[in-house]
Amino acid sequence: EDKVVQSPLSLVVHEGDTVTLNCSYEVTNFRSLLWYKQEKKAPTFLFMLTSSGIEKKSGRLSSILDKKELFSILNITATQTGDSAVYLCAAKGGSQGNLIFGKGTKLSVKP
Amino acid sequence: NAGVTQTPKFQVLKTGQSMTLQCAQDMNHEYMSWYRQDPGMGLRLIHYSVGAGITDQGEVPNGYNVSRSTTEDFPLRLLSAAPSQTSVYFCASSYDRGGSRGETQYFGPGTRLLVL
Repeated sequence: EDKVVQSPLSLVVHEGDTVTLNCSYEVTNFRSLLWYKQEKKAPTFLFMLTSSGIEKKSGRLSSILDKKELFSILNITATQTGDSAVYLCAAKGGSQGNLIFGKGTKLSVKP
Repeated sequence: NAGVTQTPKFQVLKTGQSMTLQCAQDMNHEYMSWYRQDPGMGLRLIHYSVGAGITDQGEVPNGYNVSRSTTEDFPLRLLSAAPSQTSVYFCASSYDRGGSRGETQYFGPGTRLLVL
């Protein structure tokens, strides 16, 4: 069975801290790994990773994929209260080629 | 572009009632999908479509029907609502399922459904 597992499920940090969110996957016909940020509305796209070892960066956020060990991490440096959200990881693949989502990591950043 | 739009934003139904959740996109995307999101469960795929006239089941299709008569619209029908269908429903679209152009899925704002 295809699955995506995120850890931790929730995390509380203080402003300025650096956090690392984890995503492991077991997905047949794997094609890509995507990260989304979800506040109190629809998920918004952060990154799509298809190649191992190539870091993608956007401001204080960065992500990398390890296709050998089947995981990805999302790093957020110098966290701000606006980073508080649920971060979703999804793997594209499986028998139907759709997105398979993890349960998400709820990040709370305290001032 | 309006992107992906969904109506209604919120709906209360009684058990056994039927209704249609509307989804439309104006980006000429081939691939459209419906997800439900429950607390602690992430997003689960209900149905999807790879183009007009083509639909298929996702992970949790029971109790739902879809059709895709045009590229723009992808309505989700609840045949006989049950309390277990209380959830937040998201519609999403992308250029194609394979993402060959590197595009990801764009999500609508969601419909919050409460079944009593």
